[in-house]
Amino acid sequence: GQQLNQSPQSMFIQEGEDVSMNCTSSSIFNTWLWYKQDPGEGPVLLIALYKAGELTSNGRLTAQFGITRKDSFLNISASIPSDVGIYFCAGSMNYGGSQGNLIFGKGTKLSVKP
Amino acid sequence: DSGVTQTPKHLITATGQRVTLRCSPRSGDLSVYWYQQSLDQGLQFLIQYYNGEERAKGNILERFSAQQFPDLHSELNLSSLELGDSALYFCASSVGAGAENIQYFGAGTRLSVL
Repeated sequence: GQQLNQSPQSMFIQEGEDVSMNCTSSSIFNTWLWYKQDPGEGPVLLIALYKAGELTSNGRLTAQFGITRKDSFLNISASIPSDVGIYFCAGSMNYGGSQGNLIFGKGTKLSVKP
Repeated sequence: DSGVTQTPKHLITATGQRVTLRCSPRSGDLSVYWYQQSLDQGLQFLIQYYNGEERAKGNILERFSAQQFPDLHSELNLSSLELGDSALYFCASSVGAGAENIQYFGAGTRLSVL
């Protein structure tokens, strides 16, 4: 099935650092979402984007819906230990329709630098 | 706690067997989604129901089936199980059917096929 290209696959962070990850698709999406998954839990929505060019913040997190509708990025500023986890981008071609199926990227694993 | 309840948390079974995974959506949510998460494929959409009606179908195998009951809970039936079916199975729910509706994920059912 269709997939999103998410990068990087993994990264190590030191407390206080800014983090950036992105997602690209070969198809146009009408909805871009960013989720975080902690061990033993289901994904939790961080930010939802519904309009090309939209820039949305949620605390230290900022995400943008690319102008081409084929990409999105997520930035985390001044990272803290609890930011560790796996971040997923997800997209959908459906908005305002009768289907809500999401296509997910393979995730970016954030770990603490030893 | 997302409000989405999945049972059981863990399931260990043998090849060739059949299992049923259960999902209770958040109160008020009419749409239920099933996703499969495996190490190699990532999070893959399986199927969506809205108020008892199938709305979208992903790459769901013919050996798998699902339904949503009048009380809105959903069950995912997996039959003739193979080793490759071992994965985390997530249920998500949302108020409406379109992708603009936030999907809340349960904690998942971990299926191990031996």
